[in-house]
Amino acid sequence: DAGITQSPRHKVTETGTPVTLRCHQTENHRYMYWYRQDPGHGLRLIHYSYGVKDTDKGEVSDGYSVSRSKTEDFLLTLESATSSQTSVYFCAIRGGTTNEKLFFGSGTQLSVL
Amino acid sequence: EDQVTQSPEALRLQEGESSSLNCSYTVSGLRGLFWYRQDPGKGPEFLFTLYSAGEEKEKERLKATLTKKESFLHITAPKPEDSATYLCAVHPAGGTSYGKLTFGQGTILTVHP
Repeated sequence: DAGITQSPRHKVTETGTPVTLRCHQTENHRYMYWYRQDPGHGLRLIHYSYGVKDTDKGEVSDGYSVSRSKTEDFLLTLESATSSQTSVYFCAIRGGTTNEKLFFGSGTQLSVL
Repeated sequence: EDQVTQSPEALRLQEGESSSLNCSYTVSGLRGLFWYRQDPGKGPEFLFTLYSAGEEKEKERLKATLTKKESFLHITAPKPEDSATYLCAVHPAGGTSYGKLTFGQGTILTVHP
């Protein structure tokens, strides 16, 4: 257990509404990541953070924003949710003895109707 | 652009029937290749990291190997509890990679008793 908590675990929302997903870690890791997982596409990187207030885009960042105001929390926001954003979202932190492994949270299942 | 291709997409085995999963990759310099296991409804769980061609790592019934273009996950005498999706990912070399992993689509392994 890498001390990662994602909330909520499940959410159903309507098209056009804003949604924020939260990732909380308890082990003071510098690097945090948001991935989405879809059938046929595998895990794709949305955004990542390499420190407080230091974030950058991944390969599928359109329609998403992130914020990291403190080390332990990394927020993913869908400003105006669309049906194409229905997915399972995973947060990850970088850790391990060589600081190269990614450890994942349990995921958030998001459905946009 | 980094690419990871896993085959087969799905594999059904009888208990005790050994087999291999393949991960082919294209990356501009490899810092590490990762194998993860993912159970339904959960986040990926780290299995192995391989760093250079010829390297092998083992864990119980699993053995991962690495060449310059691909990696194999060998499963010896599998049991039903080995049923899961197995994910392969690459970490490209370079100072600006920030630990970002590129994942393959995964292989769904089902082991029948």
